[in-house]
Amino acid sequence: SQQGEEDPQALSIQEGENATMNCSYKTSINNLQWYRQNSGRGLVHLILIRSNEREKHSGRLRVTLDTSKKSSSLLITASRAADTASYFCATLSSGTYKYIFGTGTRLKVLA
Amino acid sequence: GAGVSQSPSNKVTEKGKDVELRCDPISGHTALYWYRQSLGQGLEFLIYFQGNSAPDKSGLPSDRFSAERTGGSVSTLTIQRTQQEDSAVYLCASSLALGSADTQYFGPGTRLTVL
Repeated sequence: SQQGEEDPQALSIQEGENATMNCSYKTSINNLQWYRQNSGRGLVHLILIRSNEREKHSGRLRVTLDTSKKSSSLLITASRAADTASYFCATLSSGTYKYIFGTGTRLKVLA
Repeated sequence: GAGVSQSPSNKVTEKGKDVELRCDPISGHTALYWYRQSLGQGLEFLIYFQGNSAPDKSGLPSDRFSAERTGGSVSTLTIQRTQQEDSAVYLCASSLALGSADTQYFGPGTRLTVL
């Protein structure tokens, strides 16, 4: 079964708005990663945050991690139509090399 | 190569037939992963390789599934006696090493349809 659960399952916003999606997981982790998937370009790694980090930025992306709540959030600022895709979190549990992916958030950015 | 490649891109087969899916990782990447993605779902971890060794096969759905990797490079995922529930996109990824900080680079996937 999938460990990660993304919330919301689907999100529709206007271009220029910010998009926030959340991920919850169940076990202790080494790191958490966010991926983007669209039909044209497959699955692409966005950002990795380690278990001892609380926040990380990459361009228009901001990721937070709260290990006490076993949750992470991905914020996309000033969204663009090209950001339309499904976004997945993936966790690497301590003591293993098995990445567990969440169910994904489908983001639609309207021009 | 420039990225992870997989073949075939699409495979349609009849129930009960065997299929082989191939993955060519990025040159120099020692770690390789197989995932399965059903329609509209997230990725289901199947197996990983460190070199030619697969230390953990617990993610394989049944004994009809097997995978091997030779020469520390190409990997083959074999599904015997395919069933309709095996229909999915099978994704392969590779990373430089098997470490907690290594990025996985994904291939385009093989879409398997079992009739």
